[in-house]
Formats: sequence, structure tokens, C-alpha cells
Amino acid sequence: DVQLTQSPSSLSASVGDRVTITCRASQTINTFLNWYQGKPGKAPKLLVYGASTLQSGIPARFSGSGSGTDFTLTISNLQPEDFAVYSCQQSYNIPYTFGQGTTVEIK
Amino acid sequence: QVQLRESGPGLVKPSQTLSLSCTVSGDPLSSGSYYWNWIRQPAGMGLEWIGRVHHSGGTDYNPSLKSRVSLSVDTTKNKFSLELSDVTAADTAMYYCARGDYYASGSYYAFDYWGQGILVTVSS
Repeated sequence: DVQLTQSPSSLSASVGDRVTITCRASQTINTFLNWYQGKPGKAPKLLVYGASTLQSGIPARFSGSGSGTDFTLTISNLQPEDFAVYSCQQSYNIPYTFGQGTTVEIK
Repeated sequence: QVQLRESGPGLVKPSQTLSLSCTVSGDPLSSGSYYWNWIRQPAGMGLEWIGRVHHSGGTDYNPSLKSRVSLSVDTTKNKFSLELSDVTAADTAMYYCARGDYYASGSYYAFDYWGQGILVTVSS
């Protein structure tokens, strides 16, 4: 199975900050990497697919990059609604696997 | 707008079978080339993909759970279901259903619509 390791596990940031979350794969997965946002009691939301393509309706302050084994999700100009848990997921092969999640908290 | 909603018992006894359903609204479950997935998340841990089912009945399972999992689809009721047998406390988790679709001309598979989740506790 492809293991995904996210860092950091959590971070504190302020509204307006730029935040970067890293996801590292245990083997090369080309650009088969997606990012999701999760909030308690709400359906998780697909943010980015194919490592860098923004899902329809997602604000442009979100961006994804990377290929091979190293990927990043960047949130520029952090907004109050962005405080959530972010998870990466690989679709390179089955079983699909996720990172352990990164919690973005309000400083 | 596609919506998914999980339903089923919130408490299951050890060694019994966990049964959940996911009702899809806003789009026929049999339309397109979508796959219908189950994903779970134990408290304080990451998400785990359980498996997926196509409206044709084809399935893929996580090998770690394959011996205990069965997924099925009912196109007449626009819902799909999960059965997980011989459960233990380790199966206690939030269970999500999600639609899987291929993007970029079939290159990238992603979960684009999710339910809000249902908490299932395994306890006697």
C-alpha cells in the first residue's frame, strides 16, 4: 500500500496568513494526489485533484503542487472558514490511501 | 446538486455485522461511470478507504478488510450498502459514503461528493 505522511499534524495560523501543508508518498505516485477539507458534522470537500487542479467552485486561494513523492497544499490569505482538517489521498493504485490529516487551527 | 446520506444503526455488538446504507439524491446512481465508495475514520486517526461498487455490481475492496466486507447497489432505490462482518472495537469509526469519479479524461480518481458521515460504535 502507498503510505502518505502529512506534515505538520497541526498548525496555528491567523486570518490572512499563508499556510503550507506537505504530503509525502512512500513511493512515486506521479500526480495522482488529491486534497480534501474536512469539518466536524459536514461532508468532506474535494479541493484539488491531480496534484494541482482546483475542483470547480473552490476559491483560488487554494493551490496544490508537486509530483512523484512530494506534494504541497497552500492556502494563501487564510479565511475564517478555512480552519479545518486537510487530508491528502492517492489514487495511483488500490487500495486508495489517505494521509493522517493536518488540523489548521486559529491562532 | 448530488447529495449522499448515510443511514443505519449507531451501535453494533462485537462479532455482529455492521450494515449501512447510503441514499443518493440529485442524480441517478446508475448514471455515468461513477463508483460509489465507503470510507471510514476512527476517532483521532486518518481516513481509510473501505471499497467501492459500480452500478453494474463490480466491486473493489481494501485488502485489509476484504474478507469481511460486502458492497452492493440498489438502483431502484438509488442507494448502495455496506456490510462489515465480525466487527470488533477497532471498527468503531465515523463511516462516510462518497461518489468517486474520474477527472481529466479518466486520469484522476477522486471522491467529489460525500455524505456527512454516521458514527458507528462497536460495543456490547
